[in-house]
Amino acid sequence: NAGVTQTPKFRVLKTGQSMTLLCAQDMNHEYMYWYRQDPGMGLRLIHYSVGEGTTAKGEVPDGYNVSRLKKQNFLLGLESAAPSQTSVYFCASSDPGINQPQHFGDGTRLSIL
Amino acid sequence: DQQVKQNSPSLSVQEGRISILNCDYTNSMFDYFLWYKKYPAEGPTFLISISSIKDKNEDGRFTVFLNKSAKHLSLHIVPSQPGDSAVYFCAASAGGSNYKLTFGKGTLLTVNP
Repeated sequence: NAGVTQTPKFRVLKTGQSMTLLCAQDMNHEYMYWYRQDPGMGLRLIHYSVGEGTTAKGEVPDGYNVSRLKKQNFLLGLESAAPSQTSVYFCASSDPGINQPQHFGDGTRLSIL
Repeated sequence: DQQVKQNSPSLSVQEGRISILNCDYTNSMFDYFLWYKKYPAEGPTFLISISSIKDKNEDGRFTVFLNKSAKHLSLHIVPSQPGDSAVYFCAASAGGSNYKLTFGKGTLLTVNP
């Protein structure tokens, strides 16, 4: 039972490079989310999706784009990476409804030099 | 402006004793609260939640208490076990939805054998 799988687990980029983080869930959840966690901070919502083909901005969306072409996948893109985007990125998924908690992947550690 | 505050960065308790983790919030629109547990190099895992219509929710060794008038919630772990050593995040959402969670910065709990 994989749950939420994030690819890659680690990556080092140079400033200005682009990359895509992939999140896949096998629980048939409607909702998916991307968060970032910085040292001494809680998780902050970047973007989220309430269904296939939909996306919405969270608390810290600048510098990121997302796509949800398939229900099970949620992609996070960095078009031109900046050192301020060095962080640990977490993907999560959930069903709709007040009592449906979010299930998280194990994170992608991204360093931008 | 931090809407969910965990003012204790760390807490150390002896095995078998009670652990009490605290969380305060400022947004009166929050009506659903969750606790997540996180081990190093893993994603957060859902622990327990409470709706604003309740003041207590219990699940085994874990109990969450909600004081709406004080905008305060706490997580009690009894008895504490060394495997409970982790970072605990408090999170909140508004409007009867389970998305757009706002997280606290977390409290590192260490349970000493």
